[in-house]
Amino acid sequence: AQTVTQSQPEMSVQEAETVTLSCTYDTSESDYYLFWYKQPPSRQMILVIRQEAYKQQNATENRFSVNFQKAAKSFSLKISDSQLGDAAMYFCAYRTNFGNEKLTFGTGTRLTIIP
Amino acid sequence: EAQVTQNPRYLITVTGKKLTVTCSQNMNHEYMSWYRQDPGLGLRQIYYSMNVEVTDKGDVPEGYKVSRKEKRNFPLILESPSPNQTSLYFCASSPWTSGGDPNTGELFFGEGSRLTVL
Repeated sequence: AQTVTQSQPEMSVQEAETVTLSCTYDTSESDYYLFWYKQPPSRQMILVIRQEAYKQQNATENRFSVNFQKAAKSFSLKISDSQLGDAAMYFCAYRTNFGNEKLTFGTGTRLTIIP
Repeated sequence: EAQVTQNPRYLITVTGKKLTVTCSQNMNHEYMSWYRQDPGLGLRQIYYSMNVEVTDKGDVPEGYKVSRKEKRNFPLILESPSPNQTSLYFCASSPWTSGGDPNTGELFFGEGSRLTVL
């Protein structure tokens, strides 16, 4: 079974600075998706960024980018120019491409932005 | 507007009183799923459905039932709720199934239902 590990329960960053959230996963599959979801106080799950495992190029969405290391099974999220609205719980998630296409989530990292 | 709608958003109930949390999506998605979120545990899958009349257990199915009689609806049923089912529940859907048309792989989430069982 796949597992996702987020080893940083809490992180904080000064506004306008850069922060990196860590995520590692374990799988024996070669074809899968990885995601970062943001959960603000409203509790809504908001997709931040996605990465297809077959793509070597790291995904980027505006101020958000990932460092995808397939061999190391690592998938970190970098947030540049942090803004107050980035404060939230961030979940890393794995989705298989076979059978039950469930998302396997990490336990989350709570990000605080310091003004 | 494309969306996944859950009801109720908040519910306080008592042990043993049957309840249903409804979920409806307007995107014609084949795949639907229920998750529960608990502090320190992230989100865990309860049940999923790959199409109408096709449902199966996820990682934490005990105490829950589901049905998929229509493509758009996927209700979660708690026949006899207990306090350990106090949680935040999410319904999610996706247009993507194994071997089908590849897209982003993204799951679309409802806004969550906060359930408290006393």
